[in-house]
Amino acid sequence: DGGITQSPKYLFRKEGQNVTLSCEQNLNHDAMYWYRQDPGQGLRLIYYSQIVNDFQKGDIAEGYSVSREKKESFPLTVTSAQKNPTAFYLCASSSGTGEVVSPLHFGNGTRLTVT
Amino acid sequence: GESVGLHLPTLSVQEGDNSIINCAYSNSASDYFIWYKQESGKGPQFIIDIRSNMDKRQGQRVTVLLNKTVKHLSLQIAATQPGDSAVYFCAENNPPGYALNFGKGTSLLVTP
Repeated sequence: DGGITQSPKYLFRKEGQNVTLSCEQNLNHDAMYWYRQDPGQGLRLIYYSQIVNDFQKGDIAEGYSVSREKKESFPLTVTSAQKNPTAFYLCASSSGTGEVVSPLHFGNGTRLTVT
Repeated sequence: GESVGLHLPTLSVQEGDNSIINCAYSNSASDYFIWYKQESGKGPQFIIDIRSNMDKRQGQRVTVLLNKTVKHLSLQIAATQPGDSAVYFCAENNPPGYALNFGKGTSLLVTP
């Protein structure tokens, strides 16, 4: 089955530690995205990538970093500089890039808790 | 599960009734709109999309209406079922060419 795999589903870290969230897709999509979701809020864009070895900041990129070394993979690192890292993180991909828009396909998320 | 529905607008409907979920979008230049359904603890699932050159689009039990004059989008669900209980998000490509910009969501509760 084609889809997006996020792992792990739950992640616990101590404050001050960096943590990397995994996102893999086998849909052969060019574009990949990371969104953050907090209770009572919509999804907010952290980073996105429309092609391998290239990515752009979203609306709330501070304290996060990404890489796109392979088409299938778009890991997100939550650094110690992120002030409020506890959240539900969602990875998505789409076949459309730039002006060509198509639906995003989402993974089932990683809930990160930092104490 | 995740409390993504906390403090969200809530729509309560009886099983079998039709549901209408509304959304106001922000950018008159947006040319693509989409609805997602999110169940507790899961990622959003695509429901239906519409481009700005259309006013209405129908899917299986769902219809999306787009009113560009007042920048309003609605999702109609026919014969609502308990499995439709979830949080529903609208999104627009704002600005065009950028990633999707999501609204805060509406929690739909279907009662027997």
